[in-house]
Amino acid sequence: GAVVSQHPSRVICKSGTSVKIECRSLDFQATTMFWYRQFPKKSLMLMATSNEGSKATYEQGVEKDKFLINHASLTLSTLTVTSAHPEDSSFYICSAPEGVIRNTEAFFGQGTRLTVV
Amino acid sequence: GQNIDQPTEMTATEGAIVQINCTYQTSGFNGLFWYQQHAGEAPTFLSYNVLDGLEEKGRFSSFLSRSKGYSYLLLKELQMKDSASYLCAVENSGYALNFGKGTSLLVTP
Repeated sequence: GAVVSQHPSRVICKSGTSVKIECRSLDFQATTMFWYRQFPKKSLMLMATSNEGSKATYEQGVEKDKFLINHASLTLSTLTVTSAHPEDSSFYICSAPEGVIRNTEAFFGQGTRLTVV
Repeated sequence: GQNIDQPTEMTATEGAIVQINCTYQTSGFNGLFWYQQHAGEAPTFLSYNVLDGLEEKGRFSSFLSRSKGYSYLLLKELQMKDSASYLCAVENSGYALNFGKGTSLLVTP
């Protein structure tokens, strides 16, 4: 089964509202989690690195005030899309690769399809 | 810098063999992954290579040459359900993945 659980899998929100996406590591602790974004027909792009107990590290071009990341425990990272706009509509996916045997699957969450209307 | 190249699209016939190539130039290397992704779904792990050579797993095989910065994914006995996007990804020393743009494979009858 999956070792990383992401919730919700699908969300539709109105422009201007905020949406929180959760990423949980099951049965193991993750001091580092990663958030990726995938626009339609594009590949996955790393948005930010979530660090337990410290600030997230954002990739160039990703607005830290818009995409708030909180990694308050060793098993949970949250991504909050604030003041969402239609252009934020995308597929968001987290990963927690620490301590996971590399030749096995499932250190990605199931992904969240965000649609902003 | 990070640069991962793979063909954009490929077409192959059911029952045939197809090879999807991936070349990479990255600042750090902790292994190379291949993922399959169907539209609207999360990527599904196919293979992981960290040492040179061929890894075989059923109908799928993956090859790595670190000195050449080159990998390929080999799919045998193609089935219609293999139509999907195939992503090559390199893991850097910090565990983050850098993805290629993906190869869209179409399997035809």
